[in-house]
Amino acid sequence: DSGVTQTPKHLITATGQRVTLRCSPRSGDLSVYWYQQSLDQGLQFLIQYYNGEERAKGNILERFSAQQFPDLHSELNLSSLELGDSALYFCASSVGLAGFDFRNEQFFGPGTRLTVL
Amino acid sequence: TQLLEQSPQFLSIQEGENLTVYCNSSSVFSSLQWYRQEPGEGPVLLVTVVTGGEVKKLKRLTFQFGDARKDSSLHITAAQPGDTGLYLCAASYMDSNYQLIWGAGTKLIIKP
Repeated sequence: DSGVTQTPKHLITATGQRVTLRCSPRSGDLSVYWYQQSLDQGLQFLIQYYNGEERAKGNILERFSAQQFPDLHSELNLSSLELGDSALYFCASSVGLAGFDFRNEQFFGPGTRLTVL
Repeated sequence: TQLLEQSPQFLSIQEGENLTVYCNSSSVFSSLQWYRQEPGEGPVLLVTVVTGGEVKKLKRLTFQFGDARKDSSLHITAAQPGDTGLYLCAASYMDSNYQLIWGAGTKLIIKP
């Protein structure tokens, strides 16, 4: 158990809909990262938050957005869903900010499997 | 732009055999991590290496960091079915503000 929790575990929805994925980082971790992993693919970095502020963006679509709340939990919002958005979505957390922690060791949650029908 | 290449992409071997997977970078990295991911689960950090030439062992897994800090390898001795999974390397680079760059992974299957 990494200490990172994600809900829900599974989500099935229809094209055009909007969903929200939730993540709680390990106790004491200030950074949260979101990743997308399609079937048999590697991890695609989406976005990072540190202590409530957006710090880095990867290949995140404009239809997707995220935020980190004062209690450090984070939500990833996916809207106008398309079939191609079906994937595993992972949240990871780390102690600090990548720029000051050259190790940047990340701890992953169990993921949310999103199926868009 | 840093690139991190893993090879092979896929490996299927019999239980008891040895194997090595590789992670190569286009640039010198500050640190490199290896993760293992089982199907439907999140990646789990196995090891972090930071010093050129460093060797770390985790039971039957041996991780090596190249002297020039541009490559790393993971060697598994006497592979077991429980080693099956996706092995990912991820590196941090000073000139990308230590954001992790991920390799595409090596999918390993160990047949009983």
